[in-house]
Amino acid sequence: DGGITQSPKYLFRKEGQNVTLSCEQNLNHDAMYWYRQDPGQGLRLIYYSQIVNDFQKGDIAEGYSVSREKKESFPLTVTSAQKNPTAFYLCASSVPTSGENEKLFFGSGTQLSVL
Amino acid sequence: QKEVEQNSGPLSVPEGAIASLNCTYSDRGSQSFFWYRQYSGKSPELIMSIYSNGDKEDGRFTAQLNKASQYVSLLIRDSQPSDSATYLCALAGNQGGKLIFGQGTELSVKP
Repeated sequence: DGGITQSPKYLFRKEGQNVTLSCEQNLNHDAMYWYRQDPGQGLRLIYYSQIVNDFQKGDIAEGYSVSREKKESFPLTVTSAQKNPTAFYLCASSVPTSGENEKLFFGSGTQLSVL
Repeated sequence: QKEVEQNSGPLSVPEGAIASLNCTYSDRGSQSFFWYRQYSGKSPELIMSIYSNGDKEDGRFTAQLNKASQYVSLLIRDSQPSDSATYLCALAGNQGGKLIFGQGTELSVKP
């Protein structure tokens, strides 16, 4: 089945530690996105990539980094510079044409907590 | 002013009633509008998309868009307890691609 796979489902970070969240898709979508969701809040865009080897900062990129070496993969690293990383992280993909194709397909999410 | 605003709720309606969810936005260049449903601890799922002024119906769901007034709404007819979730409004600008989300409205349908 085609879809987006995020792992792990739950992740714990120690102070000063970098952690990496995995996101893989087999939908052959060009664009991929990382969103952060805090309790009772909507989704805020961290980073997005519309093509391999290229990515742009979203609204809350500080303390995060990404790479897009393959079309299928868009890992997110939460660095030690991110002082409040506890949140639900969602990866998504889409076909990035304007008009009726901006529908996002989401992974199942990763809940990151600080120890 | 936030780019996309929704009442956070909770909105409580009895089973069988019509639930009305509203969303306003600030960017007049927005072209595409979406409603996502999100159950607690789960990822959002797309339930409606709308691109032109007017109404769009899909089963028990109707999306309404008024670009002049910069609002989009979602009506859920014959509400069921299984409709209890947070509903997220999202929009995309004329550059395509990334979506901007509202904070979501929590809906509770009481049996």
